Amino acid sequence: DTGVSQDPRHKITKRGQNVTFRCDPISEHNRLYWYRQTLGQGPEFLTYFQNEAQLEKSRLLSDRFSAERPKGSFSTLEIQRTEQGDSAMYLCASSPTVRVEGYGYTFGSGTRLTVV
Amino acid sequence: RKEVEQDPGPFNVPEGATVAFNCTYSNSASQSFFWYRQDCRKEPKLLMSVYSSGNEDGRFTAQLNRASQYISLLIRDSKLSDSATYLCVVSTGGGNKLTFGTGTQLKVEL
Repeated sequence: DTGVSQDPRHKITKRGQNVTFRCDPISEHNRLYWYRQTLGQGPEFLTYFQNEAQLEKSRLLSDRFSAERPKGSFSTLEIQRTEQGDSAMYLCASSPTVRVEGYGYTFGSGTRLTVV
Repeated sequence: RKEVEQDPGPFNVPEGATVAFNCTYSNSASQSFFWYRQDCRKEPKLLMSVYSSGNEDGRFTAQLNRASQYISLLIRDSKLSDSATYLCVVSTGGGNKLTFGTGTQLKVEL
């Protein structure tokens, strides 16, 4: 498999529960990104990693959100005490470190979270 | 003001029409520019990069005007399969973080 994979594809959870999503990037990509997309909006940046280091976090990433990439390979995004406003598509993407002219990201298929 | 602004549409056009999308960005330090395509309930996929000299890929032509901070996408001879949301995207900073517009919805009709 040469793409970015995300698991699960769909998650329905009750308000107040914790959820965790997983992303497996393209193996040779050092950078991994998390985005969130709500209906009618473009993806919004949450955070990114270079190898295992989390280098930037958006103000959108409240204290209830935590992301890890412990060995510089797969990453997890955890949301604690979910709220209805967390309902969205959570997208993971990866890219190589060295800038390649014209190279964008490769996105995974996303995890669609519904908080009821 | 949003960093990347697009007309959300929808643009409803007949098959075979030419349609143009425009986008403006606010950060003059932006370094790379892209158009992504997103089908309903799917992930965004890179359509094409946008270069200062302008570039073409089949029926698609992208233009960048750095002085005006303006990006465009032209689709000629539109097909039913072109129906999707087109996202204008800019990259700023060393981390290659991408900032997306809200997207422009295109519906190509018979």
